[in-house]
Amino acid sequence: NAGVMQNPRHLVRRRGQEARLRCSPMKGHSHVYWYRQLPEEGLKFMVYLQKENIIDESGMPKERFSAEFPKEGPSILRIQQVVRGDSAAYFCASSPRQGFRQETQYFGPGTRLLVL
Amino acid sequence: KNEVEQSPQNLTAQEGEFITINCSYSVGISALHWLQQHPGGGIVSLFMLSSGKKKHGRLIATINIQEKHSSLHITASHPRDSAVYICAVIPTGNQFYFGTGTSLTVIP
Repeated sequence: NAGVMQNPRHLVRRRGQEARLRCSPMKGHSHVYWYRQLPEEGLKFMVYLQKENIIDESGMPKERFSAEFPKEGPSILRIQQVVRGDSAAYFCASSPRQGFRQETQYFGPGTRLLVL
Repeated sequence: KNEVEQSPQNLTAQEGEFITINCSYSVGISALHWLQQHPGGGIVSLFMLSSGKKKHGRLIATINIQEKHSSLHITASHPRDSAVYICAVIPTGNQFYFGTGTSLTVIP
C-alpha cells in the first residue's frame, strides 16, 4: 500500500522560472494539504484541497502560487516566476476525510526546491 | 506572535533517559498533533489529542485543555529517537499552527 508520493524530490530552478510540485495522495484519500518549511523555520500551512475544490487557501501567498487537485491525477502546487525566497521544502499530506481536526494526516517525503 | 510555543528548542539526552517536550498554545483548539521529523526530512504523525492522554510504545502524550498545554514524553530514550518533534494545533476553521520544533539528540 503505497504512501503519499511527491515528485520530484529535489528541484532546482533559476529565478523567473516556474516550479511544479506533484503530490499523489494515499489510495482512498481525497483530502490533500500542502505545507512549506523554510530553512531554519517551522512548517506553515499553505492550502487544503479536496478533489476539484480548494477548501482553504488562507496560507497561500497571494501572487505566483496556485494549487489544484483534479478529478484524475495528482495534486499540483505551482509556483510561477520563482524567487530565491521560495527555496524551501514543500510537504504534502493526505487524509481520507477531513484530517487534523479528526484524524491523522499522512505526509509525503517532501520536495526540496532550490532557486538559484 | 507565535500561537504555538515549544520548549526546549534543543535537547540532548543520554540513552535511557526520560525526555519531556512541552507545547503551549494561545488559541482555543479542537485538537493537537505531535509530529516527528526525521533527520532526512520525512514527517510522521505520532499522536492526535483532544483531551487526556495517549500512549504508543515508549511515547506518551498528554494535554490539558484548560491550561493550553501539552507534553510529549519519551521513556527509555534511544538514539533512533533523535529527530525534530513538532507540535501542531488546530483551532476552529481549517487553519492550523505549528511550533518551530524541538530538536532531540539521544547519545548512546
